Amino acid sequence: SQTIHQWPATLVQPVGSPLSLECTVEGTSNPNLYWYRQAAGRGLQLLFYSVGIGQISSEVPQNLSASRPQDRQFILSSKKLLLSDSGFYLCAWSKGGTGQPQHFGDGTRLSIL
Amino acid sequence: GDSVTQMEGPVTLSEEAFLTINCTYTATGYPSLFWYVQYPGEGLQLLLKATKADDKGSNKGFEATYRKETTSFHLEKGSVQVSDSAVYFCALTDSNYQLIWGAGTKLIIKP
Repeated sequence: SQTIHQWPATLVQPVGSPLSLECTVEGTSNPNLYWYRQAAGRGLQLLFYSVGIGQISSEVPQNLSASRPQDRQFILSSKKLLLSDSGFYLCAWSKGGTGQPQHFGDGTRLSIL
Repeated sequence: GDSVTQMEGPVTLSEEAFLTINCTYTATGYPSLFWYVQYPGEGLQLLLKATKADDKGSNKGFEATYRKETTSFHLEKGSVQVSDSAVYFCALTDSNYQLIWGAGTKLIIKP
C-alpha cells in the first residue's frame, strides 16, 4: 500500500531564517505531488504541484519554492521566512489521470516568531 | 472557472442527530467529486468520492450522491457521534486534474 511521510510535524523558526520541509511517498511510482498551505481556520491553498521529476508548477507567487529531486520526494523551501508564512503545510500525492483523489500527509505546523 | 460552495459553519448538533452538509459546484465537463475530513491537528483524509452522475459514495456511515441536475454533492449521516467532530471539505477535480476545494465546514457534535 502507498504511504506518505511528511516532516517535521512542528517547526518554530525566526523571521528571516531558511526553511526546508520534506515529503516522501512510498508504494507508488510517478505520483503527482502537491504542497498546500492552510491558515488557521481557513481552507486549503495550493502552493505547488509536480507531475514529474524537476517539473514544478507554482500556483501562488511568494517567497517559497519547491523542488522534486527524486520521483517520490517533494521539498518545500524558503531562503527567508516571513511572519505571513506561518500556517499548516500539507503534502499530498495522487495517481495521474482523471478523477483521482489526493492523499495527504499529517502536515507540518510552522510558526514564525 | 470551476468552484465549490459549502455551507458555512460551524454546524453544531447533538449526538445521534441527522447530519446534512450542503455542497454545490460549478464545473465544465464531468468532474469527480470528493468529501474529505480533517480532525483537529491532522492532515486531510479522503472520506468518500463519486466519479459520475447518480453515483453514491459512502464510508463510515456517511453518504453523498452526485446530483448533476442540481450540481450538488451533499454529505449526510443518519446518526452522528462526538467522534465525527471535524472539518469537512467538499472538492472536485477540474479539467487540469487539480482539486478545487470548498472552504470547509466545521462540525461540532455535543454529547
